Amino acid sequence: AQSVTQPDIHITVSEGASLELRCNYSYGATPYLFWYVQSPGQGLQLLLKYFSGDTLVQGIKGFEAEFKRSQSSFNLRKPSVHWSDAAEYFCAGGEAAGNKLTFGGGTRVLVKP
Amino acid sequence: GAVVSQHPSWVICKSGTSVKIECRSLDFQATTMFWYRQFPKQSLMLMATSNEGSKATYEQGVEKDKFLINHASLTLSTLTVTSAHPEDSSFYICSAREVDGGAWDRETQYFGPGTRLLVL
Repeated sequence: AQSVTQPDIHITVSEGASLELRCNYSYGATPYLFWYVQSPGQGLQLLLKYFSGDTLVQGIKGFEAEFKRSQSSFNLRKPSVHWSDAAEYFCAGGEAAGNKLTFGGGTRVLVKP
Repeated sequence: GAVVSQHPSWVICKSGTSVKIECRSLDFQATTMFWYRQFPKQSLMLMATSNEGSKATYEQGVEKDKFLINHASLTLSTLTVTSAHPEDSSFYICSAREVDGGAWDRETQYFGPGTRLLVL
């Protein structure tokens, strides 16, 4: 069955430090992969997406993600975290055009001053 | 671009009444929209897929007679919670599917800001 897993429920990081959020997928074929961010009480904002091609994807707000087929992973990274990056982050996958997204459980990021 | 709005942003209603939530794609046409429900500190649960001009497709366990979905135009889908009860209180989020750069096989879901429903 298709699944997306985010192993870390919570991550605490100091402001200015680097951040990496893990995402693993289980699909028969290469899925379309997305990272979304949700601030408290808000909807989801798209950070970046991967369909095919270059495995290193650049997104908004200084985020990037790398697709690694061998590890079935699509980890999100940011070199230097700002306090405004505190939020919930969701990884999602879709198998093909017109298919539904499967969401990971989310990772809550806390930023220490 | 790719902005999705929801109205209202929050609503409080009495038990037994019906509540309608609107989801609009503001700058693109969306033949397909999705309705999700999110409980506190949890991920999104897909409730139904809304297709313009046809009946919605509901996920297993979602009561179609309780959660009425109408997708009357390419930019508007509505979710009506009928005879709402306190257990229906939740955060409801819609998304609209946009085709990426005109490529039929590259689609992205853009999400609305959500509607918080409280049933007393």
